[in-house]
Amino acid sequence: EVQLLESGGDLVQPGGSLRVSCAAPGFTFSSYAMSWVRQAPGKGLEWVSGISDSGFTTYYADSVKGRFTISRDNSKNTLYLQMNSLRADDTAVYYCAKAGRTGGYDSWGQGTLVTVSS
Amino acid sequence: DIQLTQSPSFLSASVGDRVTITCRASQGISRDLAWYQQKPGKAPKLLIYVASTLQSGVPSRFSGSGSGTEFTLTISSLQPEDFATYYCQQLNSYPLTFGGGTKVEIK
Repeated sequence: EVQLLESGGDLVQPGGSLRVSCAAPGFTFSSYAMSWVRQAPGKGLEWVSGISDSGFTTYYADSVKGRFTISRDNSKNTLYLQMNSLRADDTAVYYCAKAGRTGGYDSWGQGTLVTVSS
Repeated sequence: DIQLTQSPSFLSASVGDRVTITCRASQGISRDLAWYQQKPGKAPKLLIYVASTLQSGVPSRFSGSGSGTEFTLTISSLQPEDFATYYCQQLNSYPLTFGGGTKVEIK
């Protein structure tokens, strides 16, 4: 059974940094592209960043480009999102999601809350 | 970036109603579109991918259609468990984008 288990969400001051993780037991993690998607309180879904199965190719939303870095460790079945220069509008629940073979994201974690506030 | 516009943003309907949600893309995306259902406090759930293919385990009352710039999600007979927010997502090009969502509430 596919499981995605996010962790690392916290309260951070503006300008600070945080790394969130997503552990992915239960499937061949190294065979699938992954993404991070966030949802601000009471708002819709926003795709943040994606990474290829090998980790060699990464993609970012304009809103986080230059501040966030996605990475993966296929030996540890874990996805990461390093977030720097955090702003109040980065406050959200951050979900990791597994790309399906033929389209869409077919498995999601439970989310981890990142709050940026002084 | 490709913009997705969902309509309506809010929909009030009764159990048994047929419901249609529209998603329009700012440029052609072939059939590279997915639909998700999200309930409060829960992660999104994939319903449909490549515009019209039903994800395994999703009830057949859900269907999707469209290509290019206009897509629809239809629920043929709304059930109590279908009251939720629905999102479309384009997977044609990066950055990937979501529509603004359609909240389906009980009339």
